[in-house]
Amino acid sequence: DTAVSQTPKYLVTQMGNDKSIKCEQNLGHDTMYWYKQDSKKFLKIMFSYNNKELIINETVPNRFSPKSPDKAHLNLHINSLELGDSAVYFCASSQGGLYGYTFGSGTRLTVV
Amino acid sequence: DAKTTQPPSMDCAEGRAANLPCNHSTISGNEYVYWYRQIHSQGPQYIIHGLKNNETNEMASLIITEDRKSSTLILPHATLRDTAVYYCLGGSNYKLTFGKGTLLTVNP
Repeated sequence: DTAVSQTPKYLVTQMGNDKSIKCEQNLGHDTMYWYKQDSKKFLKIMFSYNNKELIINETVPNRFSPKSPDKAHLNLHINSLELGDSAVYFCASSQGGLYGYTFGSGTRLTVV
Repeated sequence: DAKTTQPPSMDCAEGRAANLPCNHSTISGNEYVYWYRQIHSQGPQYIIHGLKNNETNEMASLIITEDRKSSTLILPHATLRDTAVYYCLGGSNYKLTFGKGTLLTVNP
């Protein structure tokens, strides 16, 4: 199936740990994103990557480090996890930066 | 990016048309209007977008006022599976900004 896939779907971890979330798209898109949806359901953009280059970083703490090894992958590594990092993280992709985004099904991160 | 205003919730009877309004009075001349929806914490799903003209696809129709300060998303025959949060948003390159959206509940 053509899609944006994220792993894992659920992630429960302790404060202070380091964790990664992987994202892959097979749509041939050149732009990928990470969004965070908090408990109040607000969806906020974190990063945009176009052709593996970072183009938007929305004042995300340095503990969050995205990595794009190629156009089809955008992984998110989080160091020293904090309680406030608990949220659902969505990966998305698009062709160019303007038109329809395709979102993954989300990774629910719980920091205890 | 344009600031958008939507009603927090709406109800619609199954089989009837659902008309979801959105105000985006600060939208700039080259900024598109997008509509997405999110069904029960799934990833948001793209519905439609437009610039000036009305648009229609297999999911919905988008009516944009001539002054571009508001738009209406029309689901012509709402079904129970259309119950979701609907987001109207403006966006610039590589950055779509989501607001609070409208929770549409389709009732049997």
